[in-house]
Amino acid sequence: DAGITQSPRHKVTETGTPVTLRCHQTENHRYMYWYRQDPGHGLRLIHYSYGVKDTDKGEVSDGYSVSRSKTEDFLLTLESATSSQTSVYFCAIRETGVGLSFTEAFFGQGTRLTVV
Amino acid sequence: TQLLEQSPQFLSIQEGENLTVYCNSSSVFSSLQWYRQEPGEGPVLLVTVVTGGEVKKLKRLTFQFGDARKDSSLHITAAQPGDTGLYLCAGAPGNNDMRFGAGTRLTVKP
Repeated sequence: DAGITQSPRHKVTETGTPVTLRCHQTENHRYMYWYRQDPGHGLRLIHYSYGVKDTDKGEVSDGYSVSRSKTEDFLLTLESATSSQTSVYFCAIRETGVGLSFTEAFFGQGTRLTVV
Repeated sequence: TQLLEQSPQFLSIQEGENLTVYCNSSSVFSSLQWYRQEPGEGPVLLVTVVTGGEVKKLKRLTFQFGDARKDSSLHITAAQPGDTGLYLCAGAPGNNDMRFGAGTRLTVKP
């Protein structure tokens, strides 16, 4: 158990409204990630963070922003939700081996977001 | 085009059969990981392969990393219904990000 909690677990929102998803970790990991999972696409990287206030875009970042003001929390915001953002969102932390030779990710339970 | 291409996308077999799923890329990775995901849950790490040509065994699962470190395979011997799930490969193309393939959805019928 890597101590990752996502909230909320389920949310239904209307098109055009802002939505914020929260990822909380208890083990002081440096790296945190937000992915979305859709049928046929596996997990696609939205944004990631490599430290407090250090974030970068992933492969599907349009329409999303993130913030990391403290180590334990990584927030994902949908500025103006659209139906195409209906998905399951996963937060992950990364553990790194000696000399950065390999990386392993541990995931939260996911947030199912429906935009109507 | 995804950085990591997995095949097949779907696989349905009978209990007791053997199977192999593949993860391929044109990029070189320092390591690749395999995860299994069950419905309603996040992916769970199965194994990490680090050295080109490496073979790792986890009970009935055998993982191989290609010599050029661009591809990997997962072989399951005598599949069981409990092996049903989505199998994902993943790698880190840079120092900070982590990318996943689209996955192979395996169904093992009793």
